[in-house]
Amino acid sequence: GEDVEQSLFLSVREGDSSVINCTYTDSSSTYLYWYKQEPGAGLQLLTYIFSNMDMKQDQRLTVLLNKKDKHLSLRIADTQTGDSAIYFCAESIMGISGGYNKLIFGAGTRLAVHP
Amino acid sequence: DSGVTQTPKHLITATGQRVTLRCSPRSGDLSVYWYQQSLDQGLQFLIQYYNGEERAKGNILERFSAQQFPDLHSELNLSSLELGDSALYFCASSDGEVDQGSPLHFGNGTRLTVT
Repeated sequence: GEDVEQSLFLSVREGDSSVINCTYTDSSSTYLYWYKQEPGAGLQLLTYIFSNMDMKQDQRLTVLLNKKDKHLSLRIADTQTGDSAIYFCAESIMGISGGYNKLIFGAGTRLAVHP
Repeated sequence: DSGVTQTPKHLITATGQRVTLRCSPRSGDLSVYWYQQSLDQGLQFLIQYYNGEERAKGNILERFSAQQFPDLHSELNLSSLELGDSALYFCASSDGEVDQGSPLHFGNGTRLTVT
């Protein structure tokens, strides 16, 4: 089946680290993505990871992938108020006949950063 | 700025009417995807086009249709509108396949309100 699950809400204090978790179902997903959505805006690509990697770091962002458990996490170091947004994880799903594919998104985690 | 342009930004119309949403992909991107974002359903994949041809269909209603033109811009047509069609409609484009590490780049969306 195609399903991506995320916790709906996370509240952190400014300066702390945030960890947003995600589980997915399709073990054949080759790439997993993280997007950020600010109020009134579209989805902004943050980072993505190839399924044969365990970790990817990009400045304040660290992605951890546990392929065995189909678990993905996004860590934001030194969280700032500007990081307040909804964060979506997404898995790539390939069509049965190949040649086409799509992203399946989780419901999104709303990150609230307070002073 | 993702490079994906959607018009109009807002659309208010009555039940039973028909509307057309327009999307211009990033320069060079051949794939266009349409997603619907609503509070109760989250981000739902509607349809994908690649270089003018329909590639994949998701949860798209029969009242909805789309096409991609030779200049690669795409239009999503929504007809016999119902209150439940009120949502944010996103267009995204990519230059390759999401399962090969070509991410989707999203426009800012069209907010449709059906009254």
